Amino acid sequence: EVQLLESGGGLVQPGGSLRLSCAASGFTFSSFTMSWIRQAAGKGLEWVSTVSENGDSTYYADSVKGRFTISRDDSKNTVSLRMNSLRAEDTAVYYCVRGGWVYWGQGTLVTVSS
Amino acid sequence: DIQMTQSPSSLSASVGDRVTITCRASQGISNYLAWFQQKPGKAPKSLIYEASSLQSGVPSKFNGSGSGTDFTLTISSLQPEDFATYYCQQYNSYPRTFGQGTKVEIK
Repeated sequence: EVQLLESGGGLVQPGGSLRLSCAASGFTFSSFTMSWIRQAAGKGLEWVSTVSENGDSTYYADSVKGRFTISRDDSKNTVSLRMNSLRAEDTAVYYCVRGGWVYWGQGTLVTVSS
Repeated sequence: DIQMTQSPSSLSASVGDRVTITCRASQGISNYLAWFQQKPGKAPKSLIYEASSLQSGVPSKFNGSGSGTDFTLTISSLQPEDFATYYCQQYNSYPRTFGQGTKVEIK
């Protein structure tokens, strides 16, 4: 059974940093791209970032480029999102998504507030 | 960036109704379009990929069509469990972009 379990969310002050992790199981992790999608309360879905199967290519939304870094560790079947210089508008539930868009994690809430 | 525009933003329908949601891309995306259903407090669920292919386990009352810039999602015979918000998404190019969502409510 495919499982994606996010962790690392929480309350952080504006300008602060946070690292989200997603632990994957139930599939050959190295064969899939992995993405982060976020959703602010009452708002729509926003694609944040994607890392390629081998980790060589990364893609970012303009809204997070230069502040967020996606990475993967195929030895641990994890994908991470390092978030720096956080802003109030980064407040959202962050979902980890496997390539193919069928499998989503349950989401982790990031709140940026003083 | 490719903009995805869904219409309507919301609709009210009755059980048994047939509903159609449209999604327009600001430039051609071939058939690289997906549809998702999301219920409150839950992660989105993939319904359709490649514009018209049904994900495994998704009932055939969901039908996707279109290519290029114009796409539709049709739900035949709406049931109580279908009341949700629906999103289209293009995966032709980066950045991936979603439509703003269509909320299907009970009339």
